[in-house]
Amino acid sequence: EDQVTQSPEALRLQEGESSSLNCSYTVSGLRGLFWYRQDPGKGPEFLFTLYSAGEEKEKERLKATLTKKESFLHITAPKPEDSATYLCAVVGDSSYKLIFGSGTRLLVRP
Amino acid sequence: GAVVSQHPSWVICKSGTSVKIECRSLDFQATTMFWYRQFPKQSLMLMATSNEGSKATYEQGVEKDKFLINHASLTLSTLTVTSAHPEDSSFYICSANGGDKETQYFGPGTRLLVL
Repeated sequence: EDQVTQSPEALRLQEGESSSLNCSYTVSGLRGLFWYRQDPGKGPEFLFTLYSAGEEKEKERLKATLTKKESFLHITAPKPEDSATYLCAVVGDSSYKLIFGSGTRLLVRP
Repeated sequence: GAVVSQHPSWVICKSGTSVKIECRSLDFQATTMFWYRQFPKQSLMLMATSNEGSKATYEQGVEKDKFLINHASLTLSTLTVTSAHPEDSSFYICSANGGDKETQYFGPGTRLLVL
């Protein structure tokens, strides 16, 4: 059964304090791993799609990496506006559906 | 690019009335659109998948007659909550597959409150 586990559940950082969020996955035939950001009361905002182990993508202060078992979302020198819930999801060969993790709630204090 | 809109953003209605929510892909054509429901502090729950010109595929436990989905064109899907009751109050979010066919782009969501 396809499964996604995110850790930690919640993370508090000081502004400028870099850290990483983890997404561990089990999937039959990975077709894509996705990172989204969700603000309260809004739909998820697309960040990255990763397709194969070793792939990396960057956008501003965010960098996503992928191995055969997990993905990391690295946040460098975060700002308060980076506070949000970060969702990881996968799609595998067995289904076209997104399998979501439970998310990591990030709070960046000024 | 890959922008998805929803309308309305929020709606309040009386119990027993029907509510229609529109989902549009603004700058791309989406052969597949998805409808999700999200409860407070929980992850998204897939309700149904719709393909342009064909009947929607509903997830187990989702009432087809309660949640009517129409995907009339490559840029528009609608969700109608029929005879809404307070337990249908929730945050409804649609998504659409973009050009790479795997990535889903989400709309901003519709907050429904049934009194």
